[in-house]
Amino acid sequence: GAVVSQHPSWVICKSGTSVKIECRSLDFQATTMFWYRQFPKQSLMLMATSNEGSKATYEQGVEKDKFLINHASLTLSTLTVTSAHPEDSSFYICSASVRGLRGNTIYFGEGSWLTVV
Amino acid sequence: DQQVKQNSPSLSVQEGRISILNCDYTNSMFDYFLWYKKYPAEGPTFLISISSIKDKNEDGRFTVFLNKSAKHLSLHIVPSQPGDSAVYFCAATNAGKSTFGDGTTLTVKP
Repeated sequence: GAVVSQHPSWVICKSGTSVKIECRSLDFQATTMFWYRQFPKQSLMLMATSNEGSKATYEQGVEKDKFLINHASLTLSTLTVTSAHPEDSSFYICSASVRGLRGNTIYFGEGSWLTVV
Repeated sequence: DQQVKQNSPSLSVQEGRISILNCDYTNSMFDYFLWYKKYPAEGPTFLISISSIKDKNEDGRFTVFLNKSAKHLSLHIVPSQPGDSAVYFCAATNAGKSTFGDGTTLTVKP
């Protein structure tokens, strides 16, 4: 079963509205989660690091006021795309890392397709 | 400075033969690596991963090799099947944060 669950898998919204995507860690606590997006014909690009109980850290070029990240609990991070525009249409995916005896393991969510019309 | 590079944008192999996809990285702090494939208009499918404490991980037809001294990662698919045709991305992770290569388009010919 999924170790990191992401919801929704698909979402279509009207331009100007806001959309929330959830990322949940199952069976483990994640103090840090990561959000990525992938545009067509490109690789996944890190958007921001979500930190439980504190502000997210955004990568250069990512608008923090547009992509709101909240990590209110140890098992849930949310990405809200505010005032969405067609150019925000993309594939968004989250990940979390788990430290084990054999080193770190990275788990990715299933991803969310956002289409802004 | 691109920390993760896939120098071959494309690769074509015959069905049944071995496909070898390569990936080079520059940051010695990377401690976890993974490969995923992507079909057009679909999300990524994660294939296989490897921790830096290992040099090989095998899962069915897929084997990932890690050469830390050379900072090189490779994915072997054997035997290759037409359904393997997709874009393959490698990723390297440090402190949970993953950096992805630009991808290699694999075409497996029947």
